[in-house]
Amino acid sequence: GAVVSQHPSWVICKSGTSVKIECRSLDFQATTMFWYRQFPKQSLMLMATSNEGSKATYEQGVEKDKFLINHASLTLSTLTVTSAHPEDSSFYICSAIPGTSGRGEQYFGPGTRLTVT
Amino acid sequence: DQQVKQNSPSLSVQEGRISILNCDYTNSMFDYFLWYKKYPAEGPTFLISISSIKDKNEDGRFTVFLNKSAKHLSLHIVPSQPGDSAVYFCAARLRSNTGKLIFGQGTTLQVKP
Repeated sequence: GAVVSQHPSWVICKSGTSVKIECRSLDFQATTMFWYRQFPKQSLMLMATSNEGSKATYEQGVEKDKFLINHASLTLSTLTVTSAHPEDSSFYICSAIPGTSGRGEQYFGPGTRLTVT
Repeated sequence: DQQVKQNSPSLSVQEGRISILNCDYTNSMFDYFLWYKKYPAEGPTFLISISSIKDKNEDGRFTVFLNKSAKHLSLHIVPSQPGDSAVYFCAARLRSNTGKLIFGQGTTLQVKP
């Protein structure tokens, strides 16, 4: 149980275009999902908290207008990287909290590798 | 400031021996501590967690110890297996209803056959 999927697993796009990444909780409902970014050999950096039915909460330093987050249902959150630049190239990972979790754990998707050329 | 720190970037252990991964934290406002395992180009996999009111939690080969006075936790893997080779992240959950986790930098564990 507690499976999270992401799509696509990798994407290459040109500078100036937008890319949408989907995060789905497959066997549970998640009122809260999180989006992370990981640079090579570094830790996971929390970008934003995605709340179903309300606006996302962004971490300090993360541009809201560049990284658009939509949490339209209890099983789906999307991250859209707008007007992508090469410096946006990274590994993006989402996570979700099962409603019944009491141990604090988040379950992570497999990640999406974005390369902006 | 780094609220969760894993000071050892790497650890090498012989198969069958104990692996001990360490983590220190500075914030007393964490209510849960978690360990995740991660392979390259994959998402982290949840291993084990411990509540801040406990000092030990065990699950199979994995045991997590929490020393609140030292603000230190450790993950013990016994016996270590080659398949345990991965990056291990320590994480701490803020005592709030946001569910946010703060991650350490990670420790790369290599278990040699």
